[in-house]
Amino acid sequence: DTGVSQDPRHKITKRGQNVTFRCDPISEHNRLYWYRQTLGQGPEFLTYFQNEAQLEKSRLLSDRFSAERPKGSFSTLEIQRTEQGDSAMYLCASTERDAAYEQYFGPGTRLTVT
Amino acid sequence: AQKITQTQPGMFVQEKEAVTLDCTYDTSDQSYGLFWYKQPSSGEMIFLIYQGSYDEQNATEGRYSLNFQKARKSANLVISASQLGDSAMYFCAMREPSNTGFQKLVFGTGTRLLVSP
Repeated sequence: DTGVSQDPRHKITKRGQNVTFRCDPISEHNRLYWYRQTLGQGPEFLTYFQNEAQLEKSRLLSDRFSAERPKGSFSTLEIQRTEQGDSAMYLCASTERDAAYEQYFGPGTRLTVT
Repeated sequence: AQKITQTQPGMFVQEKEAVTLDCTYDTSDQSYGLFWYKQPSSGEMIFLIYQGSYDEQNATEGRYSLNFQKARKSANLVISASQLGDSAMYFCAMREPSNTGFQKLVFGTGTRLLVSP
């Protein structure tokens, strides 16, 4: 399977704990996006990487959130001191070029904060 | 800022019939792109179809077609000959430009489609 992969698929954590998610994009794709999807809503943009450079961050990305893409391949999204409001599906997408072309999404990581 | 509106929370259709999922958008840009994605219960967003604002023809991809009415700012998805596997959430999205040149997607709230035998 050469699609976008995400790990873990599900994560349950207690409020206040830190969590980290991983995204592996399609290998030739140099653009990577993170989105967050809460229940009953469409995905909302969080951040964007072109190669290893983080070029865009949404104001949804509070200072408890940090994302990296150290070698321009896989990316990690870390949430520190999780809150119940962080419970959501975290989706990763990649594309080879400008978003004039479709973004390919991974299966997502569902986070539940108890 | 761009906005996508999907007014149908849920739609029902019988197998083999056609169904139209509504999408209206708001933008002040002349150049934009519209997408439809399908999200089955597994969670993955699956790209269905794309329409550019300057495209003169309505986009079609197999059983999917996009009814693009630029003056009305609508981009409805038409699924012909519905199949049971079409049951899923469907999201309309718009490409939003940014200062750094990349273009993020802004999604609507989705429509849940149920196809019955």
